[in-house]
Amino acid sequence: EVQLVESGGGLVQPGGSLRLSCAGSGFTLGDHHMDWVRQAPGKGPEWIARIRNRANSDTTEYATSVEGRFTVSRDDSQNSLYLQMTSLKSEDTALYYCGRSTVGKILDYWGQGTLVTVSS
Amino acid sequence: AIWVTQSPSSITASTGDRVTITCRASQYVVTQLAWYQQKPGKAPNLLIYAASTLQTGVPTRFSGSGSGTDFTLTISGLQSEDSAIYYCQQYYTYPFTFGQGTKLEIK
Repeated sequence: EVQLVESGGGLVQPGGSLRLSCAGSGFTLGDHHMDWVRQAPGKGPEWIARIRNRANSDTTEYATSVEGRFTVSRDDSQNSLYLQMTSLKSEDTALYYCGRSTVGKILDYWGQGTLVTVSS
Repeated sequence: AIWVTQSPSSITASTGDRVTITCRASQYVVTQLAWYQQKPGKAPNLLIYAASTLQTGVPTRFSGSGSGTDFTLTISGLQSEDSAIYYCQQYYTYPFTFGQGTKLEIK
């Protein structure tokens, strides 16, 4: 059974950093494109980052809102995905989801999300 | 970025009804469009990808159509459990973008 479990969320001050993790099971992360999507309270989802599969050299893409501040990476030995977030702003407050994508199909599995609150 | 506009923003319908939600992209996205259902406190759930392909396990009362810039999600024979927010998403060009959502309420 495919499962994704996020962790690492919490309360952080503006300007601070946080690293989110997403542990995969039931499939090999490196075979898939993996995405991060966030959802601010009461708002719709916002796609923020992708790391492509090993076959596509783990290349990355970012939304303009996070480019230069967030970095997506993957550890195949841990079958895990990460999102390093720096220079956090209040508008980064959201529930952060990781999701699995496949060529031609997007976000067919999602984790349960981890909440990030940026506040002083 | 490609803007994705959904309409209507909310619908109220009865069980057994047929409803249609539309999604318009500001630029051509071929058929790289997905539909999701989100219930309170849950992650979005993929219903349709490639504009018209039903995700495994999704009931056949859900269907999608369209290409280019105009797309529709149709739910035939509404069930009470279809009460949710529905989002479309283009994944043709980065950054991938979601519509603002359509809230479906069942009377």
